Amino acid sequence: GAVVSQHPSWVICKSGTSVKIECRSLDFQATTMFWYRQFPKQSLMLMATSNEGSKATYEQGVEKDKFLINHASLTLSTLTVTSAHPEDSSFYICSGDSSYEQYFGPGTRLTVT
Amino acid sequence: AQKVTQAQTEISVVEKEDVTLDCVYETRDTTYYLFWYKQPPSGELVFLIRRNSFDEQNEISGRYSWNFQKSTSSFNFTITASQVVDSAVYFCALSEPYNTDKLIFGTGTRLQVFP
Repeated sequence: GAVVSQHPSWVICKSGTSVKIECRSLDFQATTMFWYRQFPKQSLMLMATSNEGSKATYEQGVEKDKFLINHASLTLSTLTVTSAHPEDSSFYICSGDSSYEQYFGPGTRLTVT
Repeated sequence: AQKVTQAQTEISVVEKEDVTLDCVYETRDTTYYLFWYKQPPSGELVFLIRRNSFDEQNEISGRYSWNFQKSTSSFNFTITASQVVDSAVYFCALSEPYNTDKLIFGTGTRLQVFP
């Protein structure tokens, strides 16, 4: 099956700093990548849909200026959490789309202190 | 609007028991896909099955089986002879490929299998 990696797997940062999370499709090209956020014991909530070479489409309620998404190539999408605050602490998961099937990365656990 | 409902928040069983996880969905589209994913404590989502809306055949894969019924908009998942390693959160999800192709997840069912 297709493999998606995320880096880093976990990160701790101080409030007010920015954090970048990378999502890579290792053995397939993903025209579309998705970013999800999952709070403890909750479901995955779609944050945005990222299309290679164009601007991301954000879900209602997600601040696009806070969660910057860049999809510069068919194998890489990045999510930057700008001016992070403790409430941004969460598990961030990306997925790459291939033939109507999404392949998920292992997730990145962000803790903002 | 699309919606996925997993009414069972948490289920506890003893090893070797059979357990069924319910999933009810809502969609206006006639073409859609349904999925089940497993999320163990490590957090990584594990793909279990994808079913398209035109294929109502039930599927069996080892101890896992799925019952898709369009008439009741349900896509239930049964684990036969459960094992401790089955302990995880299970998510049902819906996508509309000709709409946005994004996945809408249910709230998940936490399954605990005790030895």
